[in-house]
Amino acid sequence: GAGVSQTPSNKVTEKGKYVELRCDPISGHTALYWYRQSLGQGPEFLIYFQGTGAADDSGLPNDRFFAVRPEGSVSTLKIQRTERGDSAVYLCASSPGGQETQYFGPGTRLLVL
Amino acid sequence: GQQLNQSPQSMFIQEGEDVSMNCTSSSIFNTWLWYKQEPGEGPVLLIALYKAGELTSNGRLTAQFGITRKDSFLNISASIPSDVGIYFCAGSKAAGNKLTFGGGTRVLVKP
Repeated sequence: GAGVSQTPSNKVTEKGKYVELRCDPISGHTALYWYRQSLGQGPEFLIYFQGTGAADDSGLPNDRFFAVRPEGSVSTLKIQRTERGDSAVYLCASSPGGQETQYFGPGTRLLVL
Repeated sequence: GQQLNQSPQSMFIQEGEDVSMNCTSSSIFNTWLWYKQEPGEGPVLLIALYKAGELTSNGRLTAQFGITRKDSFLNISASIPSDVGIYFCAGSKAAGNKLTFGGGTRVLVKP
C-alpha cells in the first residue's frame, strides 16, 4: 500500500514569500504529525492532528506557521513571510491513532533565499 | 532543543563487526523507538519498545528499553555495507503523542 506522500519534494522561495507544504497520510490513519529537521539534527516536533483538530501545536515556532487538516486526511503546513532560518526539511508522519508507531514521508526540502 | 542524547555521534563500521549505540534522557519516556534515515529520505522505523526492560530484535538489530525509562540502546550484529545511514532514537511520553528525537548516530564505512 501507499506510504505517506509529501509534495513538493523540493521548494525554493524568496525571503518574505508564502509557502504551502502538503502531506497525504497513509489511508485510514487518523493521527498526522509535522516535524522540522535542520541539517545535521534530528526531527523536531511542530504540530499533531487527531482527525481534523490540532491536538498539540506546541512545537510551532511562531505565528507565521499554521497547519490545517480540514477533512481529517490531507494536511497543509503554511508558512507566511518566510525567513532564511525556515530552511529545513519538513517531515510529515501518520499513525493509526492512539499508537506511537509513526510512519514518515520523504519530506519537503525548503530553501529560503 | 533536543532532550535525548545519542552517542556516539558517528562511528565507522567494518563489514562483519557488531556495533552499538545508545540514547539517554533526563526525563522518563514510556515508549522508545529507533529509526534509520538515509540521504533524501524520511526516517524508517526499525524497532519499537513499549515496556521498561523490554529487549526486542528485528533481524540483526536488537534494542532494549532501559529499566529507568531514561535510556535505550541499539545493537547491530554482523554489520554490512547497507547499514550505513543515520540512526535516531525517539521517545514518546504517552500513546499517540509527539516524538522527541535524539541528534542521531552517523554510521559510516571504514575506508
